[in-house]
Amino acid sequence: AQSVTQLDSQVPVFEEAPVELRCNYSSSVSVYLFWYVQYPNQGLQLLLKYLSGSTLVKGINGFEAEFNKSQTSFHLRKPSVHISDTAEYFCAVSYGQNFVFGPGTRLSVLP
Amino acid sequence: DAGITQSPRHKVTETGTPVTLRCHQTENHRYMYWYRQDPGHGLRLIHYSYGVKDTDKGEVSDGYSVSRSKTEDFLLTLESATSSQTSVYFCAIREGISSYNEQFFGPGTRLTVL
Repeated sequence: AQSVTQLDSQVPVFEEAPVELRCNYSSSVSVYLFWYVQYPNQGLQLLLKYLSGSTLVKGINGFEAEFNKSQTSFHLRKPSVHISDTAEYFCAVSYGQNFVFGPGTRLSVLP
Repeated sequence: DAGITQSPRHKVTETGTPVTLRCHQTENHRYMYWYRQDPGHGLRLIHYSYGVKDTDKGEVSDGYSVSRSKTEDFLLTLESATSSQTSVYFCAIREGISSYNEQFFGPGTRLTVL
């Protein structure tokens, strides 16, 4: 069975600092990888996705992620965060008809 | 905006009562999903549908049933609600049947079972 690990449940960071949110997945077959963001009291929105090709994927709001097949990782990064980036971030793997989501990382951007 | 609505948005009910949550889409997509979200668990799949009257179980289906009599509506029913079913429930749709198609989510329903 597929699984997704997000090692950090909470990440506090100061405004304008860089941030990396970690995601690892377990799979011996090709998968498609996604990052979603959830702002308070809202549903999930797609940030970015990796399907194939370049391992560096750029998404909305200045986020990017790098796919590393050998390390089965898909870490999310942003060079300079804003207060408005405070949210919960979910990594997900797509296989077949379904998705598997990680437990989420709560990013808190401090002034 | 993927045209997904959920109703009700909030509900408080008592243990043992039946509850039905509705997901409605305007885009005519084939795949629809119900998840529950709980702290520390992310989203866990309850049931999903791949067409009218075609449904299947997810990893946490016990205590839940679903129905899909029309393409646009996917209903989640708790036959006899329990306190462990207090959660936030999200509906999602998928634009295509390929693994590379992303899911789009509704705004969620917060259910409290007393």
